[in-house]
Amino acid sequence: GDSVTQMEGPVTLSEEAFLTINCTYTATGYPSLFWYVQYPGEGLQLLLKATKADDKGSNKGFEATYRKETTSFHLEKGSVQVSDSAVYFCALRRTGFQKLVFGTGTRLLVSP
Amino acid sequence: EADIYQTPRYLVIGTGKKITLECSQTMGHDKMYWYQQDPGMELHLIHYSYGVNSTEKGDLSSESTVSRIRTEHFPLTLESARPSHTSQYLCASRLEGSEAFFGQGTRLTVV
Repeated sequence: GDSVTQMEGPVTLSEEAFLTINCTYTATGYPSLFWYVQYPGEGLQLLLKATKADDKGSNKGFEATYRKETTSFHLEKGSVQVSDSAVYFCALRRTGFQKLVFGTGTRLLVSP
Repeated sequence: EADIYQTPRYLVIGTGKKITLECSQTMGHDKMYWYQQDPGMELHLIHYSYGVNSTEKGDLSSESTVSRIRTEHFPLTLESARPSHTSQYLCASRLEGSEAFFGQGTRLTVV
């Protein structure tokens, strides 16, 4: 079945450091890929998405590129801030299917 | 900003009580979902709905039940709460072809 694998956390960085959170997926066909962010005590918010191979999603300085050849959708940010501390979820949804498949989440902790 | 609301945000209740967690959205979305999030952060789909009068069980078996009498409303009910039901419950909705929008969640504690 479909699955999403994320790197385990927590990821601990200093402010202004470069961030990468790895995400790989297994799915039939060409799924849409998403990154969601969950701030403490809140629900999930869509951070960015990509719907086909080589698409780059971007938002708030975060980027991720849909790589079909490596089945990956790694999240990157050039300079993290303390306010980026949150849990990040990678997810996929197959075209025509109704359910989102989530990874297990990666906690990011950014210190001043 | 997403227009999907969950109430209550926090609930502490005794064992054996019946509870209903409310979820409403004003976006006209036909598809709605309930997720249970464990302390390790992992999300488990417990119920979903494709539209009015349509409900399906998700990937994780749950003792809760849901109903979808109106498009905008997707309540979740536990007939007899137990400590094992302690968790965060997240509601989401979407339109065909679009991303999912999540509510802020209900953190349930059964004592």
